[in-house]
Amino acid sequence: SQQGEEDPQALSIQEGENATMNCSYKTSINNLQWYRQNSGRGLVHLILIRSNEREKHSGRLRVTLDTSKKSSSLLITASRAADTASYFCATDANTGNQFYFGTGTSLTVIP
Amino acid sequence: ETGVTQSPTHLIKTRGQQVTLRCSSQSGHNTVSWYQQALGQGPQFIFQYYREEENGRGNFPPRFSGLQFPNYSSELNVNALELDDSALYLCASSFTGSRREAFFGQGTRLTVV
Repeated sequence: SQQGEEDPQALSIQEGENATMNCSYKTSINNLQWYRQNSGRGLVHLILIRSNEREKHSGRLRVTLDTSKKSSSLLITASRAADTASYFCATDANTGNQFYFGTGTSLTVIP
Repeated sequence: ETGVTQSPTHLIKTRGQQVTLRCSSQSGHNTVSWYQQALGQGPQFIFQYYREEENGRGNFPPRFSGLQFPNYSSELNVNALELDDSALYLCASSFTGSRREAFFGQGTRLTVV
């Protein structure tokens, strides 16, 4: 069974707006990662946040982690058409580098 | 580019046949994992290899098997293909250590007819 679940399943915004995606998971974790996937191709690693971290930034990306609520959020600021993709969170559940993915959020950025 | 390459990119097989998918890990990585991604779903963990030994397995039957070679490249073998095996197969390489980021290849799209 999949560990994480992303919310919303689909999101459509105008270019320049911010996009926020949420992820919930079920068991304790070592870290949580966010990935992007374009058109059913390979996953691109975006950012990793460890269980003892609460917030992390990378460029236009901001990730938060709340281990008490078992949830994470990914914020993409000033979105661009090129950000159109599916976004997945993945957790490792203390089992080595074996990741459990949610079903993803499909983001569409309208130019 | 992640440095992880998979071959072939697309493959069509007939039900009952066998298939071998290949993955070359990123330089310096000693761990490879395989995932199956059905259409519209998130990737599902199949198994992981570390130092040529299986190091964890997801909920997949024994007809899914793998190998890791001394140069850390890897194969995924699927026997007795079923229609439901049609999916994108992703390989991820990583270094078992503190960072634990995994880098994925572009995947192999397998269609079973």
